[in-house]
Amino acid sequence: AQSVTQLDSHVSVSEGTPVLLRCNYSSSYSPSLFWYVQHPNKGLQLLLKYTSAATLVKGINGFEAEFKKSETSFHLTKPSAHMSDAAEYFCVVRAGTYKYIFGTGTRLKVLA
Amino acid sequence: GAVVSQHPSWVICKSGTSVKIECRSLDFQATTMFWYRQFPKQSLMLMATSNEGSKATYEQGVEKDKFLINHASLTLSTLTVTSAHPEDSSFYICSAPGTGENIQYFGAGTRLSVL
Repeated sequence: AQSVTQLDSHVSVSEGTPVLLRCNYSSSYSPSLFWYVQHPNKGLQLLLKYTSAATLVKGINGFEAEFKKSETSFHLTKPSAHMSDAAEYFCVVRAGTYKYIFGTGTRLKVLA
Repeated sequence: GAVVSQHPSWVICKSGTSVKIECRSLDFQATTMFWYRQFPKQSLMLMATSNEGSKATYEQGVEKDKFLINHASLTLSTLTVTSAHPEDSSFYICSAPGTGENIQYFGAGTRLSVL
């Protein structure tokens, strides 16, 4: 069965410092993995996706994630946090043709 | 990218009434749409898969008579919460897969508050 585990429920960083949001996955085959961001009272926006092409995936707003099969990880990073990055981030694995399994989310707080 | 519109964005209703939430794909057709529920400070849980022209497929533990889904056309799916109770208060989000793409497009969500 497919699953994802987001290792931190809350992450706080100072503006201008790097961001690391951790996600581990479990899959019996090569997974399709995604990161979505949700701002307060807003829908979900796709940041990036991995679908067995390049292991380093670049997304929008300066975010990127690296697929590491040996570590079963798909961590999300950004070199320099911006205040507007404060939001909830979800790591997601595709579990069927259209079925998505969401992680429990990581709330990112950016301090001025 | 593709746009999924969800309406209303916020609804308050009395206990015992029914509430209908609409999910529309604005610039593409979606034979399949998905309905999720998000509890406060928790992740999204898939409730059901809405299929155009056929019955919806519900996830285990979701009451199909409580959450009625109708996929009336290739661009519209509706979720009706029947005889709503305070425990049905939640954030409901729909999604639709992009044509030929391996991603989902999500609506902005509907916050339901049942008094």
